[in-house]
Amino acid sequence: NAGVTQTPKFQVLKTGQSMTLQCAQDMNHNSMYWYRQDPGMGLRLIYYSASEGTTDKGEVPNGYNVSRLNKREFSLRLESAAPSQTSVYFCASSEALLATYEQYFGPGTRLTVT
Amino acid sequence: GQQLNQSPQSMFIQEGEDVSMNCTSSSIFNTWLWYKQEPGEGPVLLIALYKAGELTSNGRLTAQFGITRKDSFLNISASIPSDVGIYFCAGGLSSGSARQLTFGSGTQLTVLP
Repeated sequence: NAGVTQTPKFQVLKTGQSMTLQCAQDMNHNSMYWYRQDPGMGLRLIYYSASEGTTDKGEVPNGYNVSRLNKREFSLRLESAAPSQTSVYFCASSEALLATYEQYFGPGTRLTVT
Repeated sequence: GQQLNQSPQSMFIQEGEDVSMNCTSSSIFNTWLWYKQEPGEGPVLLIALYKAGELTSNGRLTAQFGITRKDSFLNISASIPSDVGIYFCAGGLSSGSARQLTFGSGTQLTVLP
C-alpha cells in the first residue's frame, strides 16, 4: 500500500496562473483533507471531504476550490495563484465514520508563487 | 477557532537526555494526537489518546491526555539522533460527520551528539 500520494512534489507558479494539486489514498478511507503549512504556524485546514460527494470549508478556504473525484481522490485547485499561497500543501485521509480522529498524511507539495 | 499553545518552540538537547513538551488549550478536545515531521516529509502519527487521564507509550515515547481535556504532554526518554524533527500536537473535535484536528505550531527538536 502506498498510503497517501500527492503530485506534484514541487511547483513554481507565476502570480495569476492556475494549477491543481492531486491527492489519492489507497486505504479505503472515507474522509480526506487539505492543509497548508507555513513556517511557525503548524497545519491549517483548507477544505475537507467527510465522504464521497461532500466537501466543506476549513479554516482558510479563500482562494481555493476542491473536488472529491471519487472515494480515492481529492484535488485542490488554485484558480489564480497569489504569492500569499506560497506554502507546503498536505493531503490527509481518515476513517471518519468510525470512532477515530487519526489522520494519515501524504509527503506534501511545495508550492512557490512568484 | 480553537487555539493550541505548544511549548517549547524549540529544544536543543544532548543525546541520551529525556525530553518533555506540552500542548495547552482554552477549549476541550475529545482526542489528542502527537505527530512527528522530518524535513521534506509529511507528519507521521506517533500516539493517539482518546480518554482524559490516559497515559500511552510507544517505545521510548510516552504521552498523556490531561484530566481537564485541555492539555497533553509528550515525553521522549533517552533521546537519539533520529529523534530530530518537528513534533506537533493536535486536538480533535467532531464537526458534522468529519472529525477535525487543530494543530499546534510545533516543537523543533535538535539532538546533539
